[in-house]
Amino acid sequence: DAEITQSPRHKITETGRQVTLACHQTWNHNNMFWYRQDLGHGLRLIHYSYGVHDTNKGEVSDGYSVSRSNTEDLPLTLESAASSQTSVYFCASSEDRLQETQYFGPGTRLLVL
Amino acid sequence: AQSVTQPDIHITVSEGASLELRCNYSYGATPYLFWYVQSPGQGLQLLLKYFSGDTLVQGIKGFEAEFKRSQSSFNLRKPSVHWSDAAEYFCAVGAGSNFGNEKLTFGTGTRLTIIP
Repeated sequence: DAEITQSPRHKITETGRQVTLACHQTWNHNNMFWYRQDLGHGLRLIHYSYGVHDTNKGEVSDGYSVSRSNTEDLPLTLESAASSQTSVYFCASSEDRLQETQYFGPGTRLLVL
Repeated sequence: AQSVTQPDIHITVSEGASLELRCNYSYGATPYLFWYVQSPGQGLQLLLKYFSGDTLVQGIKGFEAEFKRSQSSFNLRKPSVHWSDAAEYFCAVGAGSNFGNEKLTFGTGTRLTIIP
């Protein structure tokens, strides 16, 4: 079955370190999204991509970057991790027809010490 | 820019009772509306979505939602809740664009607790 996976599922890192969270989908979806989830804020969009080599900033993109070198993967990089980036991160993907359902991965819980 | 308000942070309902979760949106044109559910430790799963047409939308797990343009609302309902419905529920709004799928804006969520 097609799916969307995230790795690692849990990560502890130190302030200032570079961290990369992986997202891989096997649906061949063009659209991919990264969100962070924090209490009282719901899900907020970090970055998104509509296809290979396309990336766009979302609502809370400062301190994060993404690259899209193929259809299946959209890794999220924290250039220099900060305690404010402690959160649960969700990746999602969707087909590129108008307002198709976004399918979510299981999430990565990141703790920055 | 679009926005979503879920005024209830936490709701407690007895098993077998009816449920209504509120969602109000702000968007200048016809919105695309979604309800997602998140079980503890899990990702989000789509319950239902509204694009156009019939304003009463049926979803999975016995849920339905009604789009009311005059009230800018898209409330989620279930006639009889089950203990397995305990979860976090998110309303989201999207805007169409020439690209096709536009990014979603989520509400802050409503946590549903079911008591025996």
